[in-house]
Amino acid sequence: AQSVTQLGSHVSVSEGALVLLRCNYSSSVPPYLFWYVQYPNQGLQLLLKYTSAATLVKGINGFEAEFKKSETSFHLTKPSAHMSDAAEYFCASTSSGGYNKLIFGAGTRLAVHP
Amino acid sequence: GAVVSQHPSWVICKSGTSVKIECRSLDFQATTMFWYRQFPKQSLMLMATSNEGSKATYEQGVEKDKFLINHASLTLSTLTVTSAHPEDSSFYICSAEPTTSSYEQYFGPGTRLTVT
Repeated sequence: AQSVTQLGSHVSVSEGALVLLRCNYSSSVPPYLFWYVQYPNQGLQLLLKYTSAATLVKGINGFEAEFKKSETSFHLTKPSAHMSDAAEYFCASTSSGGYNKLIFGAGTRLAVHP
Repeated sequence: GAVVSQHPSWVICKSGTSVKIECRSLDFQATTMFWYRQFPKQSLMLMATSNEGSKATYEQGVEKDKFLINHASLTLSTLTVTSAHPEDSSFYICSAEPTTSSYEQYFGPGTRLTVT
């Protein structure tokens, strides 16, 4: 079955440090890929998306992600973490069964400490 | 743009009663809306896909008679949890796919349901 794997359920970084959240997808056909952020008791906000155009995708709040087909990865990075980046991050992939169906990873909780 | 609202944002109901959750796309039309369920500290689980004017498609393991979905217009879908039980307590999130896009979904803020 198709799946999205996020390595590390919890990531902790210092303010100003590099943020790296890992995401791998399983699909024989390169899907569309998304990163969402969720703050407590809120819905999901789209950070960025890959839709088979440029492999390096820039999103909001200084985040970017690179699609690497050879590694089936779509890792999320940010050069310098802010306290406000502390949240839950979800990687999602479109399903081979239909482009409008999303498969979510388990999520990574990012903590940012002073 | 692309705002999705949910109402109510939280609801407490007694076991055995039914509760309706509304999902509205405020500034766009959505042929397709999705309903997700999220347990504490877990990911989103797709419950069903709702298409305007037709019956919803439920994911495996989701009871369609318990979770009634109606998508009466291009801007409104409703989820009714019938005969709710404590195990139905969860965070329910909807998303809407604009008619102009085939892969983008915009998410609502979620509804926290607590069944006592």
